[in-house]
Amino acid sequence: DTTVKQNPRYKLARVGKPVNLICSQTMNHDTMYWYQKKPNQAPKLLLFYYDKILNREADTFEKFQSSRPNNSFCSLYIGSAGLEYSAMYLCASSRGTVYEQYFGPGTRLTVL
Amino acid sequence: AQSVDQPDAHVTLSEGASLELRCSYSYSAAPYLFWYVQYPGQSLQFLLKYITGDTVVKGTKGFEAEFRKSNSSFNLKKSPAHWSDSAKYFCALEGPGGNNKLTFGQGTVLSVIP
Repeated sequence: DTTVKQNPRYKLARVGKPVNLICSQTMNHDTMYWYQKKPNQAPKLLLFYYDKILNREADTFEKFQSSRPNNSFCSLYIGSAGLEYSAMYLCASSRGTVYEQYFGPGTRLTVL
Repeated sequence: AQSVDQPDAHVTLSEGASLELRCSYSYSAAPYLFWYVQYPGQSLQFLLKYITGDTVVKGTKGFEAEFRKSNSSFNLKKSPAHWSDSAKYFCALEGPGGNNKLTFGQGTVLSVIP
């Protein structure tokens, strides 16, 4: 099974409220990623876990948190959602560097 | 800083024609380059990659791409195109030594008319 699953597929959140998105994969991949994609823009890497080590991009460092309780699951957490967080959030996994990434279907987050 | 440019937001052609989607990159070292495709209603899917060696790489679904260091390009090609190739295509670059960080272009929407 080469699928990456994301829950929920659609999320509606209020400004100032927390948001938690979930991703899972059963390919035993050591690396899991989160991207943000807005319409007509390129997917933008937010952070990734290599095994248990979290790497966050400098420009989104304080906006997003993540956890990886085991090899299969990874979450993306927004402590206080703002309107600018409305986007598609894509989760991906790979078995290391250089190898292709497998993407999930995405979670569409709308913040009102 | 690394960047990827896909200058054509939309490309339309007739079934049976040859397709070439353009991708240029800016990077100071030897890049790892990828093409991904997103069919309507589906997730991003890997098509092919260039790491090192032969500058023409072949991928799934009959696609190939040519790495040209001289003009920093990695164009995607297929001949002939089929209506089922209609999708959005993303070019991406991975940083030094494979640092897990993919930088994507904005994508090109390809429409193949039957």
